[in-house]
Amino acid sequence: NAGVTQTPKFRILKIGQSMTLQCTQDMNHNYMYWYRQDPGMGLKLIYYSVGAGITDKGEVPNGYNVSRSTTEDFPLRLELAAPSQTSVYFCASSRQDAGSYEQYFGPGTRLTVT
Amino acid sequence: AQKVTQAQTEISVVEKEDVTLDCVYETRDTTYYLFWYKQPPSGELVFLIRRNSFDEQNEISGRYSWNFQKSTSSFNFTITASQVVDSAVYFCALSDWGGSNYKLTFGKGTLLTVNP
Repeated sequence: NAGVTQTPKFRILKIGQSMTLQCTQDMNHNYMYWYRQDPGMGLKLIYYSVGAGITDKGEVPNGYNVSRSTTEDFPLRLELAAPSQTSVYFCASSRQDAGSYEQYFGPGTRLTVT
Repeated sequence: AQKVTQAQTEISVVEKEDVTLDCVYETRDTTYYLFWYKQPPSGELVFLIRRNSFDEQNEISGRYSWNFQKSTSSFNFTITASQVVDSAVYFCALSDWGGSNYKLTFGKGTLLTVNP
């Protein structure tokens, strides 16, 4: 199993551009999550999904969108990139809800908006 | 609202020293879960342990041990005989019921540097 994979690993965007961060897991997990990690701030939840077709906002959803058309994939869309979205983005998945089971994380995408 | 405090921003030790990473949490729920994750310099997040609120037994895994005390809302992590490979950022996290789903809240992390 590859676990959770994310592409790209690095990306530089200009202000106002858009992009999609890809996330795929091969563990047949129902739950998937997107976090952002800012220096010295821990991880903050952007969006999560409890299954295909179901998504919900986390703590910091503004400026992002998600979709979940399959169990495996959970892409994160940035529209009109802003410097405040410069961060490291992690995708994660878990077998069931975050309360009961640990989350498995992808390697991260380092995004810079200039 | 749930909160996780890791008061130690950075710790530096010499190899073979024991080191304890502190984690204090706040929650109104009686059922909750606590986690520790390791983030080495390569950047990935590695799951270390999960503990539920009904199980206050301490746990030992090799050089790692965890001390869970509900009375002080703490879930501390001790590394015995530290090694250079233990150098990483360590995150404590709390998961409790957010009304519609369990929500995971991370502390800000403790950077551990183990010097040879």
